[in-house]
Amino acid sequence: SAVISQKPSRDICQRGTSLTIQCQVDSQVTMMFWYRQQPGQSLTLIATANQGSEATYESGFVIDKFPISRPNLTFSTLTVSNMSPEDSSIYLCSADGTASTDTQYFGPGTRLTVL
Amino acid sequence: GDSVTQMEGPVTLSEEAFLTINCTYTATGYPSLFWYVQYPGEGLQLLLKATKADDKGSNKGFEATYRKETTSFHLEKGSVQVSDSAVYFCALSGGSRLTFGEGTQLTVNP
Repeated sequence: SAVISQKPSRDICQRGTSLTIQCQVDSQVTMMFWYRQQPGQSLTLIATANQGSEATYESGFVIDKFPISRPNLTFSTLTVSNMSPEDSSIYLCSADGTASTDTQYFGPGTRLTVL
Repeated sequence: GDSVTQMEGPVTLSEEAFLTINCTYTATGYPSLFWYVQYPGEGLQLLLKATKADDKGSNKGFEATYRKETTSFHLEKGSVQVSDSAVYFCALSGGSRLTFGEGTQLTVNP
């Protein structure tokens, strides 16, 4: 399994600003994923990030709003740009396992509140 | 497309009660099936998984059996504890992509 950490764990931001969330994995992984979990809801995939290529975004999510970087096999960032209160959510990073690529392991999440 | 349906919640039980959370799925091919648990204020933890029909995943007293004929993966535990209070998500993997159910909030009272 992979152990994943995220920073920051939570933040309160003002409307119109941007926040970058960092995700660090303790081993090299092929695929990393970013999810949004709105209050009381299930998880929605934002994008898949592979090292060395542009992220693949799901329907309803665009690069200008959620730019993603994947500079190496253990690290990724998600930026939430030009935030509004509707962006208040938990943002979760995950990675596939080195032994089993159909299994994803999750970070603790970043709890974002936009005022 | 792939989809996962969980029983409507929330579920409230007394300590030592039997737990069942229903999960059914729709998928093409032969997906792997998962249960994840989210404790209050935390991220998701993998609870158990099964990769083919009739496989039983188990962990921490929880069990689920991959039933292809009924397209189900129900989560069971014989005797729940207060510490099991959390949200439980059923999910399937079609390749590298995970599809989640809506989640079921479980509260266990002493």
